[in-house]
Amino acid sequence: GAGVSQTPSNKVTEKGKYVELRCDPISGHTALYWYRQSLGQGPEFLIYFQGTGAADDSGLPNDRFFAVRPEGSVSTLKIQRTERGDSAVYLCASSPGLATTDTQYFGPGTRLTVL
Amino acid sequence: AQSVTQLGSHVSVSEGALVLLRCNYSSSVPPYLFWYVQYPNQGLQLLLKYTTGATLVKGINGFEAEFKKSETSFHLTKPSAHMSDAAEYFCAVSDDGSSNTGKLIFGQGTTLQVKP
Repeated sequence: GAGVSQTPSNKVTEKGKYVELRCDPISGHTALYWYRQSLGQGPEFLIYFQGTGAADDSGLPNDRFFAVRPEGSVSTLKIQRTERGDSAVYLCASSPGLATTDTQYFGPGTRLTVL
Repeated sequence: AQSVTQLGSHVSVSEGALVLLRCNYSSSVPPYLFWYVQYPNQGLQLLLKYTTGATLVKGINGFEAEFKKSETSFHLTKPSAHMSDAAEYFCAVSDDGSSNTGKLIFGQGTTLQVKP
């Protein structure tokens, strides 16, 4: 079956611009997570959703970052007034539920470059 | 707060040699532990996970890991390396369990190089 997909695979933008990154989770998965992976580092948690609601957004670095999941499936991560420090690979993962033991399935990521 | 430390950002082994990737964690509650592998230009793939029960966990591609509470470790091993094992490996621990959310905390990763 289809895995988690993310679009675009690469995004280059200029400092100060607005960007949207999209995640399509595995069908039927209720939990969706966003992580950010900087060069040479492990992924860092940003936000997760259970259904349509953001259950924990404690990892969002500041109020320039926002994410939605209006229908409980596709999610969009939105970054306003991008800065060079936002350059990273943004990873999305989905899991059947929110149980700690549920496996998270990751997408290939969106590589964001802010010039 | 929980954390994960992977000792060695780069590990190089010869094909057929033992693979040992080290992971130590800190946690105030019984942890759930994971190893993920990331091949170039691909998403992270789960190798194995420890939740409860048997402390020696077997995963895909011949990998296994042993949870040692006394050493707060979860090292990943494979008896004989293949060229196809060359990738980046991440150890992760779940959130502190109080919210049972599945949020993962990752180590910084170890790049495994396999030499012919």
